[in-house]
Amino acid sequence: AQRVTQPEKLLSVFKGAPVELKCNYSYSGSPELFWYVQYSRQRLQLLLRHISRESIKGFTADLNKGETSFHLKKPFAQEEDSAMYYCALHLYNQGGKLIFGQGTELSVKP
Amino acid sequence: KAGVTQTPRYLIKTRGQQVTLSCSPISGHRSVSWYQQTPGQGLQFLFEYFSETQRNKGNFPGRFSGRQFSNSRSEMNVSTLELGDSALYLCASSVTANYGYTFGSGTRLTVV
Repeated sequence: AQRVTQPEKLLSVFKGAPVELKCNYSYSGSPELFWYVQYSRQRLQLLLRHISRESIKGFTADLNKGETSFHLKKPFAQEEDSAMYYCALHLYNQGGKLIFGQGTELSVKP
Repeated sequence: KAGVTQTPRYLIKTRGQQVTLSCSPISGHRSVSWYQQTPGQGLQFLFEYFSETQRNKGNFPGRFSGRQFSNSRSEMNVSTLELGDSALYLCASSVTANYGYTFGSGTRLTVV
């Protein structure tokens, strides 16, 4: 069965520390993975797509098919990074269906 | 460029009633998806429409239905409301799914 697992519900770091939000997936096909972010009182918004291999707001994520992971990383966390982060798997052969992980709340302390 | 617009923002309904939620996607986006978000279950896929055709449906009872119009606007309907239907309902649109979806602010449904 297709599944996305984010093992940490809450991740707390100090400003300037490195951050890694973990995401593991289970999918027999070729995965298309995304990270979405939800800042306080704002709508869910797309942060990264694995196909574009881009860096957004200093965040990067690399797809590791061997470990079935798509961890989100940032070398130096900022207070404004505090938000809820969701990893999502797109099932390309099932229309636009996204399977979301349970989310990780990132708290960056000053 | 206008974002994804959902109306209404808030709804309070009584058990047994039915409700219709509306979503206007970004202009040019033909794929519209709906999700239910609750504290316990997180974000769960309801259904997805592309060019007025439902391409996929999540694991929800038949009380949950939707449709898409020729202008890509979409509605979802929940009949015979139950207390457990209380949730934030999110609509998202995309040009094509592998580019990622843009989400609306949601409709907060409370069933009493």
